[in-house]
Amino acid sequence: KAGVTQTPRYLIKTRGQQVTLSCSPISGHRSVSWYQQTPGQGLQFLFEYFSETQRNKGNFPGRFSGRQFSNSRSEMNVSTLELGDSALYLCASSLGTRQETQYFGPGTRLLVL
Amino acid sequence: SQQGEEDPQALSIQEGENATMNCSYKTSINNLQWYRQNSGRGLVHLILIRSNEREKHSGRLRVTLDTSKKSSSLLITASRAADTASYFCATDGGNKLVFGAGTILRVKS
Repeated sequence: KAGVTQTPRYLIKTRGQQVTLSCSPISGHRSVSWYQQTPGQGLQFLFEYFSETQRNKGNFPGRFSGRQFSNSRSEMNVSTLELGDSALYLCASSLGTRQETQYFGPGTRLLVL
Repeated sequence: SQQGEEDPQALSIQEGENATMNCSYKTSINNLQWYRQNSGRGLVHLILIRSNEREKHSGRLRVTLDTSKKSSSLLITASRAADTASYFCATDGGNKLVFGAGTILRVKS
């Protein structure tokens, strides 16, 4: 099976812009989770989607949003970008239960200037 | 705050030596997982140990779990240069997977 794919892999934006990141899970996986990774804060949970519904949300401002489509593909959006949003954004998919093995994509590295 | 905390923060060893990393967590768990991340890439799942298990093996990996001490350890035996990576423990805290800060392992050849 193909692994988790994320697009784009690299992105440069300026403050105030918005960005949309995409994640395609492993075929058959219905749960998609998003994480932000920075040197200072480490890996932080953003949100999880299951069957097009947000099942859990981390402690991030409302500028961070996401959605999941009927084919389980997911997108996350960050509006009004800030310098501190520069990070590696990781998507992970799993079959369905929350705490089982997660399969990660390669990530999208976002640089906000 | 993070549920799991790894120790040490960084570890440098020679090829062929064993590497041991520790993880401590704060609340009760259903399972604990270990992941590896090569420089700036996605995480790769290594092993999952359930709360009712005390030890688990996978190839050169050995994981132990002590729920009374809320701690786990990951042992990599006969390390190789390719094991150079960051290693994270993750626990199921509050309906989501919570990762520790990680241990950076460098294996010198």
